[in-house]
Amino acid sequence: DTGVSQDPRHKITKRGQNVTFRCDPISEHNRLYWYRQTLGQGPEFLTYFQNEAQLEKSRLLSDRFSAERPKGSFSTLEIQRTEQGDSAMYLCASSLSDSGRSSDTQYFGPGTRLTVL
Amino acid sequence: AQSVTQLGSHVSVSEGALVLLRCNYSSSVPPYLFWYVQYPNQGLQLLLKYTSAATLVKGINGFEAEFKKSETSFHLTKPSAHMSDAAEYFCAVRTSGYSTLTFGKGTMLLVSP
Repeated sequence: DTGVSQDPRHKITKRGQNVTFRCDPISEHNRLYWYRQTLGQGPEFLTYFQNEAQLEKSRLLSDRFSAERPKGSFSTLEIQRTEQGDSAMYLCASSLSDSGRSSDTQYFGPGTRLTVL
Repeated sequence: AQSVTQLGSHVSVSEGALVLLRCNYSSSVPPYLFWYVQYPNQGLQLLLKYTSAATLVKGINGFEAEFKKSETSFHLTKPSAHMSDAAEYFCAVRTSGYSTLTFGKGTMLLVSP
């Protein structure tokens, strides 16, 4: 079990540029989640996948954000035309969902810290 | 709807003292409750979770939490604080019908020698 990994760990970009983050979940986990965490706040849900299907998106996920999970393995989160308000820590988590119960544990990666100048 | 309130954005204790971090939840159905810890510039690590079995849940690093339905609380405790416990702690709730966790704003635990 190598845990959830995220790449890059840090990203500095200029306003208006596009950025893409990658998340590699724990290998047997079928669910993958993206959260955003700003300073002084808890993580806020953005979107999640069960296998390759994107099942839910938060209202926080504007049209500039897109996420994919091809083949149900790794996932990418892309932000187009970045704004200063996008500066945050982007966290990925994965879990093994058993019969749709809500008690499965989400394991978090180290996060990608985005700074938009 | 599900929500979590963590009382106190910062809690300071001396090394060896009792740690008490408060969490109250709001849910119309029985919840699953979680405590996570976050060290600087790192992701979240699960401390413990309540899934409707025993109301007193023991976790890693000597932490435990008690689910009290009548008080809608799930406070985190540790009998004796260590310097290494200094970190930010998040309480989270998840209920059936929701796919995701809802987190509180976090409590920063400061431990002084």
